[in-house]
Amino acid sequence: TQLLEQSPQFLSIQEGENLTVYCNSSSVFSSLQWYRQEPGEGPVLLVTVVTGGEVKKLKRLTFQFGDARKDSSLHITAAQPGDTGLYLCAGPMNYGGSQGNLIFGKGTKLSVKP
Amino acid sequence: DSGVTQTPKHLITATGQRVTLRCSPRSGDLSVYWYQQSLDQGLQFLIQYYNGEERAKGNILERFSAQQFPDLHSELNLSSLELGDSALYFCASSGSGTWNTGELFFGEGSRLTVL
Repeated sequence: TQLLEQSPQFLSIQEGENLTVYCNSSSVFSSLQWYRQEPGEGPVLLVTVVTGGEVKKLKRLTFQFGDARKDSSLHITAAQPGDTGLYLCAGPMNYGGSQGNLIFGKGTKLSVKP
Repeated sequence: DSGVTQTPKHLITATGQRVTLRCSPRSGDLSVYWYQQSLDQGLQFLIQYYNGEERAKGNILERFSAQQFPDLHSELNLSSLELGDSALYFCASSGSGTWNTGELFFGEGSRLTVL
């Protein structure tokens, strides 16, 4: 059974701090995605990583896909209150399968205080 | 605004009842996906439709069913409701077929409370 485990489950930090959240699995994924979900809204895609070892940057967010394609991390530099939300990682249910049929981790709930 | 519309936003009903959740995908998207989000299970894939046909099934209970209509809107029917069915139900759409590599666009969800 494919599972994605995210850590930490909760993270509360002050504005300006750096943080890293993790997404781990014992299964190999053809790709992994990161979503952010805010209260009352649906998840919004931040990035898709496809190649083992790949690093992608989105402003202050840096995403990495593990060499073995079993894990990923999200690093936020100088966090801001606007970064507050639930960060979810997700991968296709079947290796190489449709990106739409996803397994999600349970998420990291980030709170950035001014 | 993702362009995906879900109704109703909130729904309160009693055990044993039946409800229908509706989703209009983004204009031009042929694929519709239904997900359930609960506190203990997180986001779970239920079912996918592509251009009116069922394409994939996930953890969807037999009490639940879905369909996609010729105008591409979709409905998720939940029957014989139990307390444990209380959750957020999301619809998402995407622009390609089964082997798409694009993103999913999620609606704002329908919050179902079963009392």
